[in-house]
Amino acid sequence: EAEVAQSPRYKITEKSQAVAFWCDPISGHATLYWYRQILGQGPELLVQFQDESVVDDSQLPKDRFSAERLKGVDSTLKIQPAELGDSAMYLCASKRDRGADTQYFGPGTRLTVL
Amino acid sequence: GESVGLHLPTLSVQEGDNSIINCAYSNSASDYFIWYKQESGKGPQFIIDIRSNMDKRQGQRVTVLLNKTVKHLSLQIAATQPGDSAVYFCAERREGADGLTFGKGTHLIIQP
Repeated sequence: EAEVAQSPRYKITEKSQAVAFWCDPISGHATLYWYRQILGQGPELLVQFQDESVVDDSQLPKDRFSAERLKGVDSTLKIQPAELGDSAMYLCASKRDRGADTQYFGPGTRLTVL
Repeated sequence: GESVGLHLPTLSVQEGDNSIINCAYSNSASDYFIWYKQESGKGPQFIIDIRSNMDKRQGQRVTVLLNKTVKHLSLQIAATQPGDSAVYFCAERREGADGLTFGKGTHLIIQP
């Protein structure tokens, strides 16, 4: 069964450092999302891509966060500089296209900022 | 067992009993709803979904009920098993959006 892949699974960094997370969606899925999940809460949408284009980044803290999906397949989410409050699980999800309903999530990257 | 209220964080049920997890949503124009199961340290796993033009949908051992009048969603799990122990999240797709808005989650604990 196809799955969303994410790496690394765990990342520990010091504040003010740069970090990057990678996501490979299910093959053929045109729509890709990045969510952030703080411990004990539900995921919150950060950014949505349709192919290589950003369609919603209204909740992305653009002063320190950036996301790209240059070839419309895999995607990278970057934080620079990392802050203590960025400690969370970063989840990637994908779905077939904008007309589809079901989003499938990857295993996430657990970020700890010291 | 049955959870009541939106913010009950934990539901404890006996193995073999049926579980009912409740969720209230906020936007009457939301057109799609979905339940995810999340085990510790893992990503959310799709369980079942329902569009707003339906009021019930069944899967294997799970049923989702949608009451649009009171903006209420529930997940029923039949014959709860130890492997069902996890946090369960409901999510809605709000009008004009494509991303999901998640609820707070309910931790389902299975008693032997």
